[in-house]
Amino acid sequence: DVKVTQSSRYLVKRTGEKVFLECVQDMDHENMFWYRQDPGLGLRLIYFSYDVKMKEKGDIPEGYSVSREKKERFSLILESASTNQTSMYLCASSPMRSLGPQHFGDGTRLSIL
Amino acid sequence: DAKTTQPTSMDCAEGRAANLPCNHSTISGNEYVYWYRQIHSQGPQYIIHGLKNNETNEMASLIITEDRKSSTLILPHATLRDTAVYYCIVRVASNGGYQKVTFGTGTKLQVIP
Repeated sequence: DVKVTQSSRYLVKRTGEKVFLECVQDMDHENMFWYRQDPGLGLRLIYFSYDVKMKEKGDIPEGYSVSREKKERFSLILESASTNQTSMYLCASSPMRSLGPQHFGDGTRLSIL
Repeated sequence: DAKTTQPTSMDCAEGRAANLPCNHSTISGNEYVYWYRQIHSQGPQYIIHGLKNNETNEMASLIITEDRKSSTLILPHATLRDTAVYYCIVRVASNGGYQKVTFGTGTKLQVIP
């Protein structure tokens, strides 16, 4: 089975800190994604990557950046954390072949104090 | 990608079939219908997808209307473990390798003992 692993289930940080969320997948998938999930808003795409060192903005990229130095790893970076970035963050991966479904990690619940 | 509309919530008696509807009236010819579900405290899980023919797998059946403007996910014998939020999404079959996928707010299915 595909395994998408997010480094932390729960994380608490302070306003202004630089925060790194890590995601690793073990199925050699080309595509990787970062979403945030908030009550009443569903899943919103922050960034996605279709290859190493490649990235594309999603619907809400402001305040975030990403890094994909290796195929299996996709990092989400909050450059200067703010309280409105308190949320559940979900990472996903999928194969390049167009019909492949996305496989999700179990999420990181991030609280910014 | 086409927008989808789903009811906010539904109830289903345990052991009965759960029928979850989805409207996607602006779907285009090369867009597939995908279903995912998200059980509490977990990431979304892929269920099934289809283009125009009905599909069935070990988890569910997908019925797509002839005009493709709506679909229904059927869980034939709902159990308490099927209590989750169910997402219907549509996405293109091929778009140069990018797989930007937009999730809405889904349908919260409550299976009642």
